Amino acid sequence: AQKVTQAQTEISVVEKEDVTLDCVYETRDTTYYLFWYKQPPSGELVFLIRRNSFDEQNEISGRYSWNFQKSTSSFNFTITASQVVDSAVYFCALSGVSSNTGKLIFGQGTTLQVKP
Amino acid sequence: NAGVTQTPKFRILKIGQSMTLQCTQDMNHNYMYWYRQDPGMGLKLIYYSVGAGITDKGEVPNGYNVSRSTTEDFPLRLELAAPSQTSVYFCASSVEGDTEAFFGQGTRLTVV
Repeated sequence: AQKVTQAQTEISVVEKEDVTLDCVYETRDTTYYLFWYKQPPSGELVFLIRRNSFDEQNEISGRYSWNFQKSTSSFNFTITASQVVDSAVYFCALSGVSSNTGKLIFGQGTTLQVKP
Repeated sequence: NAGVTQTPKFRILKIGQSMTLQCTQDMNHNYMYWYRQDPGMGLKLIYYSVGAGITDKGEVPNGYNVSRSTTEDFPLRLELAAPSQTSVYFCASSVEGDTEAFFGQGTRLTVV
């Protein structure tokens, strides 16, 4: 069975603080993909990153960075110097390659509130 | 390039009514999906399609039906609406099974 757990339901920080959103996953697939999506208050889902299970290099994109650790089945997301515009619900998701259907298993989401 | 377009954006249904949620994409993606998002929860897969003429059930298919007669369109049919179907529905598409999915704006459905 596949499962994604985002244990942090809500996080509140003050602007300019760094914040890390945790994601732990379970899968029996040896090849899989991990994703992060952002859902701002307007409701749409915005793709942030896709990571192949064979690529454990950390990735940085501006103020965003992702730490993939296969040994602990985690794919954590860090926002550096948070801004009010980062306030949103963030979802971690998993897709196993064995079925090749692209079906996403989502975590429950972490609501991030960045206060000015 | 419109991406994934869903209509309507909002709808209120009475118990027992039926309706179709429309979804169309202009990216020539083979893979399409329907998810529902309940308050405080992640998205759950209702149905998916890997190409025109091919559909399959996801995690929560009961009470829904889909069809995929063209690459562009993937409508979701609700028969005999129930309060448990009150949710936000998202349609998505992807080029392949291992690429990122692009989502529509969502349809907020309330069944009363």
